[in-house]
Amino acid sequence: AQRVTQPEKLLSVFKGAPVELKCNYSYSGSPELFWYVQYSRQRLQLLLRHISRESIKGFTADLNKGETSFHLKKPFAQEEDSAMYYCALSGRGSGYSTLTFGKGTMLLVSP
Amino acid sequence: DGGITQSPKYLFRKEGQNVTLSCEQNLNHDAMYWYRQDPGQGLRLIYYSQIVNDFQKGDIAEGYSVSREKKESFPLTVTSAQKNPTAFYLCASRLAGKNIQYFGAGTRLSVL
Repeated sequence: AQRVTQPEKLLSVFKGAPVELKCNYSYSGSPELFWYVQYSRQRLQLLLRHISRESIKGFTADLNKGETSFHLKKPFAQEEDSAMYYCALSGRGSGYSTLTFGKGTMLLVSP
Repeated sequence: DGGITQSPKYLFRKEGQNVTLSCEQNLNHDAMYWYRQDPGQGLRLIYYSQIVNDFQKGDIAEGYSVSREKKESFPLTVTSAQKNPTAFYLCASRLAGKNIQYFGAGTRLSVL
């Protein structure tokens, strides 16, 4: 079975501080990992995916297969980063057609 | 924005009543999905459909039903068998061959 674990329900930081939202997964095979974000009163949207290896809004995430992790990082948090962040996994078992989501981490960035 | 439209935005269900949530997309996407979002639970997959006239159960399909008669539409019925229907319901769609899901704005269902 595939599983995504986000150990923190809430992460509160000050503006300018570094941020790391943790994501660990359980999957026997080669998964595809994603971070989705939901800003207040906006739709859930893709932030980034591991195969793109790009930085979006200053966020990066590296897939560590040895530690089965896909932590989301940003060196300097901004107030507009405050949102709900979900880590998600797609696997070969479903033909990469479905996503398994973690329970989410709420990021609050204070001024 | 747009592309995936969910209606209504708010819905109330009486005891023993079936209610239907609408999801329409004009993105010409092949696959469509229904998720349930509860506080502290993340998103859980209810049903999904990869082509017209075909759909599969997700992790929490009991008490729900769907149909996919048209490519652009994927309605979800919350039946009276669903004993805890109060939640935020999200619809999503995906283009075949592209592993990115796009989400609607959601429908909040409450029980009267």
